Amino acid sequence: QVQLVESGGGVVQPGRSLRLSCAASRFTFSSFAVHWVRQAPGEGLEWVALISYDGDNEYYADSVKGRFTISRDNSKNTLYLQMNSLRTEDTAVYYCARGRNKYEISGYFDHWGQGTLVTVSS
Amino acid sequence: DIVMTQSPDSLTVSLGERATINCKSSQSVLYSSNNKNYLGWYQQKAGQPPKLLIYWASTRESGVPDRFSGSGSGTDFTLTISSLQAEDVAVYYCQQYYTTPYTFGQGTKLEIK
Repeated sequence: QVQLVESGGGVVQPGRSLRLSCAASRFTFSSFAVHWVRQAPGEGLEWVALISYDGDNEYYADSVKGRFTISRDNSKNTLYLQMNSLRTEDTAVYYCARGRNKYEISGYFDHWGQGTLVTVSS
Repeated sequence: DIVMTQSPDSLTVSLGERATINCKSSQSVLYSSNNKNYLGWYQQKAGQPPKLLIYWASTRESGVPDRFSGSGSGTDFTLTISSLQAEDVAVYYCQQYYTTPYTFGQGTKLEIK
């Protein structure tokens, strides 16, 4: 069973930085694009960022472009999200999710982690 | 950006009855070269991550009960639950993956009458 486990969430002051991790297991991580999707408390889903299977291509939502960086280490089966210049509106549960198709930038997500909560507050 | 609009925002249906959720995109998500609609549906139960139900607008994900079906093309889509079960209480989201930024509808909360 595919497994994605996020970590690194917590409480952080506005303007500070945080790095999230997503540990993948039970599938060939290096063959799949992966995404970050967030959900503010009581709100809907917002796609945040995507990285291709080989790490060569990255895409971002306008709301985080220039502040967040997605990366991956295929040797460690781990996805990252470096979040800088955090704002109160970045408060959300952050999910990592796997794109469906191998070697493609699949935009639909067949497996999700349980999420990690990031709270930006002074 | 492609804006996804779902209707209704909430829905109350009796057990065994049909539930219908609509989703409209601000531009077509039909890719002409392969005739596929880049539209998915997700179910999110309280305290859980979303779960993929439908992709390519009408293809049911493995393991999803056949009471769930998707239809539509271009800009107008529908998720239908043919006979509502108690375990179907959830929020349902449509999502376009035609182009980044991938965007979701605002969600439809489904409850039992």
